[in-house]
Amino acid sequence: EAGVAQSPRYKIIEKRQSVAFWCNPISGHATLYWYQQILGQGPKLLIQFQNNGVVDDSQLPKDRFSAERLKGVDSTLKIQPAKLEDSAVYLCASSLASGPRYEQYFGPGTRLTVT
Amino acid sequence: GDSVTQMEGPVTLSEEAFLTINCTYTATGYPSLFWYVQYPGEGLQLLLKATKADDKGSNKGFEATYRKETTSFHLEKGSVQVSDSAVYFCALSSNTGNQFYFGTGTSLTVIP
Repeated sequence: EAGVAQSPRYKIIEKRQSVAFWCNPISGHATLYWYQQILGQGPKLLIQFQNNGVVDDSQLPKDRFSAERLKGVDSTLKIQPAKLEDSAVYLCASSLASGPRYEQYFGPGTRLTVT
Repeated sequence: GDSVTQMEGPVTLSEEAFLTINCTYTATGYPSLFWYVQYPGEGLQLLLKATKADDKGSNKGFEATYRKETTSFHLEKGSVQVSDSAVYFCALSSNTGNQFYFGTGTSLTVIP
């Protein structure tokens, strides 16, 4: 079974530029999560999708971050414009359904450096 | 709000030593608790979980017991191996299951 795929693996941009990350969840997984992991910290949930609808985006900085999951499969996370403090690893995870009974499977992450 | 506090690392142990990584939580109601592991160069993987008080999660020789009275979920292993070198994250899922909170991670290095 293929795991969660993410691209790119690494990205370096200058502040005020825009960037997009892509995630392909495990086939059949209805729930998709985006996390931000700043160096030395644990992952922080940014947004959760159930199929193509948003379940929770309370911690997403909506003035610069956006995410979509068209057709309820792949998802993209965009930052526009980027700030220095956005430097982090962006993790995508998926699960069969929402709730603690369902294991989250994580992708390898995209490491973003903003200079 | 809900949160997880994890012992800081890094932790360095000799092979076959006993491991304890402390984790305490703050939550309303009855959360579910998890330990995730991240091996070098890989993504996070679920190691074990417990969904109610007094439950014991176990996997690959690791154990953790959900202690509501002390709001703790400490990770233990009786005899660590070099292959256990990784970063370990304690995590909590709120009652609704929609919010997931991770600790800051504890880096473990096991030397032969």
